Amino acid sequence: QSVLTQPPSASGTPGQRVTISCSGSSSNIGNNFVNWYQQFPGTAPKLLMYFINQRPSGVPDRFSGSRSGTSASLSISGLQPEDEAIYFCAAWDDTLDGVAFGGGTRLTVL
Amino acid sequence: QLQLQESGPGLVKPSETLSLTCSVSGASMSTSKYYWAWIRQPPGKGLEWIGSAYYGGNTYYNPSLKSRGTISLDTSDNHFSLKLTSVTAADSAVYYCATIPEAASYFDNWGQGTVVTVSS
Repeated sequence: QSVLTQPPSASGTPGQRVTISCSGSSSNIGNNFVNWYQQFPGTAPKLLMYFINQRPSGVPDRFSGSRSGTSASLSISGLQPEDEAIYFCAAWDDTLDGVAFGGGTRLTVL
Repeated sequence: QLQLQESGPGLVKPSETLSLTCSVSGASMSTSKYYWAWIRQPPGKGLEWIGSAYYGGNTYYNPSLKSRGTISLDTSDNHFSLKLTSVTAADSAVYYCATIPEAASYFDNWGQGTVVTVSS
């Protein structure tokens, strides 16, 4: 059972806007920065978003992040077929005294 | 650019110790302001943080490991290691090494991962 809760799946058609949620508590998302990772099958995860809404160099601005209370969201606008991947949220957890991950959301582009 | 490469045995027997190494290139571990970390991913499952260590400083471990894990840094040879004792089938996973910038909690560089299977 993951500390952070994500829906197992999400889907959208090309060009659509999709939002993936990540629910936590005051010991993690509510009090610390949220980060997001993108993983394609058979490859290592890649940092997609950090400090809630900061994109590393090379990540398209179609990707955006937000936080409200103890929940966070990753939004993808103008969905493209190459966005089909698994997305993980993560945050420092003060109770765990370490990094907590969500279970991951598999995004399908229909 | 900093690069990471995991290495180690792909098969470990139950109750034995899993030992992995992460070779660092493109940066010096003794001068880089990073935490050096291990993460694992069981087959078909999500990511689990194992632990993180800082040169000359703190080390953190996931309590779920119940003190079985040890991360050590070898700055002279520019690599860091993970030892996990008393392994069971539940420790079978892809193991990744990664870096965390100082004063942050995100993993910005990842190795390609190495598959470890625990089986007799």
